[in-house]
Amino acid sequence: GNSVTQMEGPVTLSEEAFLTINCTYTATGYPSLFWYVQYPGEGLQLLLKATKADDKGSNKGFEATYRKETTSFHLEKGSVQVSDSAVYFCDFVGGGTSYGKLTFGQGTILTVHP
Amino acid sequence: DAEITQSPRHKITETGRQVTLACHQTWNHNNMFWYRQDLGHGLRLIHYSYGVQDTNKGEVSDGYSVSRSNTEDLPLTLESAASSQTSVYFCASSESGLAGGTDTQYFGPGTRLTVL
Repeated sequence: GNSVTQMEGPVTLSEEAFLTINCTYTATGYPSLFWYVQYPGEGLQLLLKATKADDKGSNKGFEATYRKETTSFHLEKGSVQVSDSAVYFCDFVGGGTSYGKLTFGQGTILTVHP
Repeated sequence: DAEITQSPRHKITETGRQVTLACHQTWNHNNMFWYRQDLGHGLRLIHYSYGVQDTNKGEVSDGYSVSRSNTEDLPLTLESAASSQTSVYFCASSESGLAGGTDTQYFGPGTRLTVL
């Protein structure tokens, strides 16, 4: 069935460090891929997305590339800030019987220290 | 601006009581979803709807029900609250065409429910 495997956390970094959070998925067909972010005490908000193979989503300095051959959508940022501390979720939306439904990863807690 | 709201934001109830959580969106989206978020489980889908009068069960639907009488609202009802239903509940909506499945979901701020 459909699933997402996301890098386990928590991840703790110093400010300006490089960030990678790995994400791989199992899905039929051609899903759209998303990264959502949840700041403390808030709901989830879209960080970036990619809808087809080799697309690169980017926002707020974060990037992720849709790699169909490796079924991956790793999140990267070159220089993290304290304000990036949050929980990051890798997700996808499939078609067919999974139409419109997000399949969530477990979430990765990121803490950035000054 | 369009938005999605949930109420109440916090609720404490007792085991066995019926509880209804409200979700209201002004995006005019066809699709609406309810999730629960628990430590160690991420977000899990409870129920979802693709339009008025349409409802479907998600992966953790036991003990919950929804109804969709208009586009804007999808209330979630706990028929007889149990301690295992203590959680944070998120509502979301998305717009999606007949081709399906690619559109962004917009989340509400969440409702923290405690069942004593």
